[in-house]
Amino acid sequence: ETGVTQSPTHLIKTRGQQVTLRCSSQSGHNTVSWYQQALGQGPQFIFQYYREEENGRGNFPPRFSGLQFPNYSSELNVNALELDDSALYLCASSLLLPGPDGTDTQYFGPGTRLTVL
Amino acid sequence: ILNVEQSPQSLHVQEGDSTNFTCSFPSSNFYALHWYRWETAKSPEALFVMTLNGDEKKKGRISATLNTKEGYSYLYIKGSQPEDSATYLCALSDSNSGYALNFGKGTSLLVTP
Repeated sequence: ETGVTQSPTHLIKTRGQQVTLRCSSQSGHNTVSWYQQALGQGPQFIFQYYREEENGRGNFPPRFSGLQFPNYSSELNVNALELDDSALYLCASSLLLPGPDGTDTQYFGPGTRLTVL
Repeated sequence: ILNVEQSPQSLHVQEGDSTNFTCSFPSSNFYALHWYRWETAKSPEALFVMTLNGDEKKKGRISATLNTKEGYSYLYIKGSQPEDSATYLCALSDSNSGYALNFGKGTSLLVTP
């Protein structure tokens, strides 16, 4: 296993509600990325945090927001849930070194399955 | 968003067969290609990160090659075993997307005894 954990494993919410998903990074990693995997699709990049600052964002609306804490754990918050938000949410941690280096391996957690009714 | 395509979508082979999958991607602005193996109910497991044209990587019975000029990577499994059954994902990072991974939809492999 990767040492990246996520909670909860499964979650059921209704439209309009808000949800918080949590991720604990692998020890020593300073970067966390979040991905959404809808049914039949590959994971889609939501955003990335590096040393508690957002470091990049995919094509997701502002109701998707995140936090990274000093211990490099992270949260993904989704407001005003919609049916299409039903998906598997994956977090991945990596060690990002100064300078451009897109080769850092990202280590994934097992995901949180969110169902919106 | 980069268009990363994987083929075939699914594959069913017998134990002992060798098999291979393809990952195609736009060759411009290439930075790195990642292969992951994802077993049901587990975390995706990193297999390879490849950066240079002509790269070849090997891990046990699994190997991968990279052609950045024509925009494809092959993943080979020699002598497939039932425990190789998983979804194999490739992902591209490029100089425009920074460190975000652009994933294909994956190839689902089933190996039966």
